[in-house]
Amino acid sequence: NAGVTQTPKFRVLKTGQSMTLLCAQDMNHEYMYWYRQDPGMGLRLIHYSVGEGTTAKGEVPDGYNVSRLKKQNFLLGLESAAPSQTSVYFCASRTQGTLLNTEAFFGQGTRLTVV
Amino acid sequence: AQTVTQSQPEMSVQEAETVTLSCTYDTSESDYYLFWYKQPPSRQMILVIRQEAYKQQNATENRFSVNFQKAAKSFSLKISDSQLGDAAMYFCAYVKWGYGNKLVFGAGTILRVKS
Repeated sequence: NAGVTQTPKFRVLKTGQSMTLLCAQDMNHEYMYWYRQDPGMGLRLIHYSVGEGTTAKGEVPDGYNVSRLKKQNFLLGLESAAPSQTSVYFCASRTQGTLLNTEAFFGQGTRLTVV
Repeated sequence: AQTVTQSQPEMSVQEAETVTLSCTYDTSESDYYLFWYKQPPSRQMILVIRQEAYKQQNATENRFSVNFQKAAKSFSLKISDSQLGDAAMYFCAYVKWGYGNKLVFGAGTILRVKS
């Protein structure tokens, strides 16, 4: 099982460039999330989705957009990259399930550097 | 606002000894879940242990156990017989049931294991 796969693993962007990070999961999970990880701040939620065609803002949504056109994919877009968006980005998914199904599964992260 | 506080940026432990990582959280909810995640240098997020808030019994997974004090909103992780492979960043996280069932993370604690 592939689980949660993020593409690309590494990327360097120039200020003002745009890019899209792809997250794909093969577990038929309803919920998907995008986090960013910065030193001393842990993981902070950018955007999330509770199902195909839905998206919602998290804690730090500014400068990012997302789309969930297919249940298995969750895309994170940066329209005009800024140095402040240099970070490690994680995608995660979980089933809607019952109270017992509480584990979130994470991708391996994307290290993005904006110069 | 939901917050998770890990007051120890770094901890060190001698191989085979025991170490405790601290975590406090702030919520007004009565039904929630708490987690400890391990992040080794590979960046992969690995679930170590979980605790349901309605259970008074502390969770245990092999060498990992928690001390859950609901009234004090404290959720510490104890690692017994520490091994070199335990060296990693450890994140405490909290989720409450609601729209999106979102995970909220602490800033993390770097654990170093000395041989």
